[in-house]
Amino acid sequence: DAGITQSPRYKITETGRQVTLMCHQTWSHSYMFWYRQDLGHGLRLIYYSAAADITDKGEVPDGYVVSRSKTENFPLTLESATRSQTSVYFCASSNLRGTGELFFGEGSRLTVL
Amino acid sequence: EDKVVQSPLSLVVHEGDTVTLNCSYEVTNFRSLLWYKQEKKAPTFLFMLTSSGIEKKSGRLSSILDKKELFSILNITATQTGDSAIYLCAVEGLTGKSTFGDGTTLTVKP
Repeated sequence: DAGITQSPRYKITETGRQVTLMCHQTWSHSYMFWYRQDLGHGLRLIYYSAAADITDKGEVPDGYVVSRSKTENFPLTLESATRSQTSVYFCASSNLRGTGELFFGEGSRLTVL
Repeated sequence: EDKVVQSPLSLVVHEGDTVTLNCSYEVTNFRSLLWYKQEKKAPTFLFMLTSSGIEKKSGRLSSILDKKELFSILNITATQTGDSAIYLCAVEGLTGKSTFGDGTTLTVKP
């Protein structure tokens, strides 16, 4: 199916464990983004990527690692999860040659115990 | 650092009321301002604004941008309970990065 999909949708882990959230899009959009959303906050940008092998930090990158070896995939890794990383994570994509609109995945709810 | 401020943070109205949501911004190399609606899941796109003074309209929703004063408003007329949601404003820079405000939580009571 066309679109942007995230996995897992729900994850519970423990402090100190490594966690990877996956994001896959089928539109061949050049830009991809990872945001986190906490209660009382809008979306805060963690990392973004303008194309394969090009990534850049957003507002809150500490504790996260990304890679983009293929245009369609943009995984987000928490190398050593902390309780403060409990959040809902949204992956999004856009094509700057289009409307600039972001297309969001359904979100991954991560709980760090 | 790019900054987007939305007001009010929350709003409770009754069906039929008209509401105005505000978004002010500071961004380097402005490209566009976008409004999204978020219900229980992911945000969905409402409007993209790039030019001052040109109103975008979709049904009961409308929005306008003032690039001189660096703000936008989103109007919703004749509100319905289905309009209850978080409304997010985002500003996109020339790097392609979008910065979001904290959102306005709108509750429409029957």
